[in-house]
Amino acid sequence: RKEVEQDPGPFNVPEGATVAFNCTYSNSASQSFFWYRQDCRKEPKLLMSVYSSGNEDGRFTAQLNRASQYISLLIRDSKLSDSATYLCVVNRMDSSYKLIFGSGTRLLVRP
Amino acid sequence: ETGVTQTPRHLVMGMTNKKSLKCEQHLGHNAMYWYKQSAKKPLELMFVYSLEERVENNSVPSRFSPECPNSSHLFLHLHTLQPEDSALYLCASSQEGGRGLGTEAFFGQGTRLTVV
Repeated sequence: RKEVEQDPGPFNVPEGATVAFNCTYSNSASQSFFWYRQDCRKEPKLLMSVYSSGNEDGRFTAQLNRASQYISLLIRDSKLSDSATYLCVVNRMDSSYKLIFGSGTRLLVRP
Repeated sequence: ETGVTQTPRHLVMGMTNKKSLKCEQHLGHNAMYWYKQSAKKPLELMFVYSLEERVENNSVPSRFSPECPNSSHLFLHLHTLQPEDSALYLCASSQEGGRGLGTEAFFGQGTRLTVV
């Protein structure tokens, strides 16, 4: 089983739609969770951290479900500029800090 | 200059060449990473340096050799690479807080490597 698993998509949605991505992780001891965004041929950039209580940043909402070991990202009122690959990131809990990336979910927002 | 800077941005090398990738971070972080991203594949963690000590090597071939002279600089020395090593090589840094905890990672723009 992969440490971090995501549906690769692509999710093809119209502008203004609401879209949700899920990500599952295998290490129940993981403590740090993030969503990153990666545009084509660019480096990944932090979109938002994911906190236990859930958090919201404008049109983006992230949730953590420790019992089921998944995190989610909800995007409301999709914009054309939201088209990108969204990467789920979890830290591997051992003696040192390592961030493990999922393979990403591709989002295409059409006019 | 701020953030994480990588040079060169693009590199074409022959299989018999020796080259080095350079990364510099200006964020005061204590951990640095090399990731490899091949076409249509997820980011693969290659090396982790925490407090200038290498703590991870995910069975990366010996033709890749990392060097971390201080907490702000990271190198990846390349020699006798294969065409399948062509990929985007990304450097990142973060702040490790101990006991497996830490912050988000910030990435450089990457070096796009082509091995011919």
